[in-house]
Amino acid sequence: GAGVSQSPSNKVTEKGKDVELRCDPISGHTALYWYRQSLGQGLEFLIYFQGNSAPDKSGLPSDRFSAERTGGSVSTLTIQRTQQEDSAVYLCASSFSLLYEQYFGPGTRLTVT
Amino acid sequence: KQEVTQIPAALSVPEGENLVLNCSFTDSAIYNLQWFRQDPGKGLTSLLLIQSSQREQTSGRLNASLDKSSGRSTLYIAASQPGDSATYLCAPLPDNFNKFYFGSGTKLNVKP
Repeated sequence: GAGVSQSPSNKVTEKGKDVELRCDPISGHTALYWYRQSLGQGLEFLIYFQGNSAPDKSGLPSDRFSAERTGGSVSTLTIQRTQQEDSAVYLCASSFSLLYEQYFGPGTRLTVT
Repeated sequence: KQEVTQIPAALSVPEGENLVLNCSFTDSAIYNLQWFRQDPGKGLTSLLLIQSSQREQTSGRLNASLDKSSGRSTLYIAASQPGDSATYLCAPLPDNFNKFYFGSGTKLNVKP
């Protein structure tokens, strides 16, 4: 079956621009997670969604970051006024429910110039 | 905050060797622990998920053990192959449904 998909696979943007990253989870998965991985660094947890519950946004690195999940399926991560330190690979994962096995997408490589 | 440490950071072995990757975590209040592999430029692939009530979980040549009380998990790879070359990550998942932490990984190179 189809796995987790993310788009775009690569995004180059100028400092100060807004970007929107998209994640399509596996069908039927109620939990969705966002992480980022900077060059040579480990995975940093950003936010998760479980069903229709409001997410805990405390893991987002700044108020320039926001995320939403519409209809319990597709999720978008938006970064406003991008900075060079936002350059990273943004990974999305989904699971059947919270704390079940997570399945990852291929990631979006964001480069801020 | 959960601290996750993986030792060694890198490992190079000849093909056919059995090897052990270590993961330690500071907060034992976990629901389960998942092991992943990450190939260069790719996302993560789930290998094994071991529940906090379990001691071991096996899949093919892989065996993961968990000692929750001591905050340790090991991933045993039997008869390693060049295709096993990747970075291996562990992720103890918290039982407070709060944040999710990953180790920085062990980069494995299996030489033909």
